[in-house]
Amino acid sequence: IAGITQAPTSQILAAGRRMTLRCTQDMRHNAMYWYRQDLGLGLRLIHYSNTAGTTGKGEVPDGYSVSRANTDDFPLTLASAVPSQTSVYFCASSDSDNSPLHFGNGTRLTVT
Amino acid sequence: GQNIDQPTEMTATEGAIVQINCTYQTSGFNGLFWYQQHAGEAPTFLSYNVLDGLEEKGRFSSFLSRSKGYSYLLLKELQMKDSASYLCAVKDSNYQLIWGAGTKLIIKP
Repeated sequence: IAGITQAPTSQILAAGRRMTLRCTQDMRHNAMYWYRQDLGLGLRLIHYSNTAGTTGKGEVPDGYSVSRANTDDFPLTLASAVPSQTSVYFCASSDSDNSPLHFGNGTRLTVT
Repeated sequence: GQNIDQPTEMTATEGAIVQINCTYQTSGFNGLFWYQQHAGEAPTFLSYNVLDGLEEKGRFSSFLSRSKGYSYLLLKELQMKDSASYLCAVKDSNYQLIWGAGTKLIIKP
């Protein structure tokens, strides 16, 4: 089934540890995004990539980095996790500016 | 700044009709999206409006007025499975999506 796969589904992480959230899509979409979702707030964009080889900063990029070595994969790395990064993380993709986003099932991350 | 406003929570009765409003203030406009998100799941696409007027899709309809910075999502013949959060999002002049915090819809039998 075509779509976006995120891993892990959930994770408990000690503060200061490094963590990479994985995201893979098989729809050959050019654009990919990482969002975090916190209670009472709208989805907030962390980083995005309009095409393989390019990335950009979103609304809340600090403490996160991404890479886009190919069309399918868009990993998100937390270099040194802090408790404020406790959130649900969604990866999404789209094939054009006016196309809807397709979301992965999310990663629930708890930083202790 | 850019802002999307929608009610935090609404309650409706099974079989009834409910209208969820969304007002926006953004730098430019390149379309408005509605998504449905069940608890613990990912958002899924419901509708897209770029021109003024009503878009109907089965039991769901979405309306847009660009001059008023206003949209609504209309859900008819409510079913228990419609209990979810409904997210309004607007693409600004840079094609960046600005998201509302979502409206939690509770359906009662």
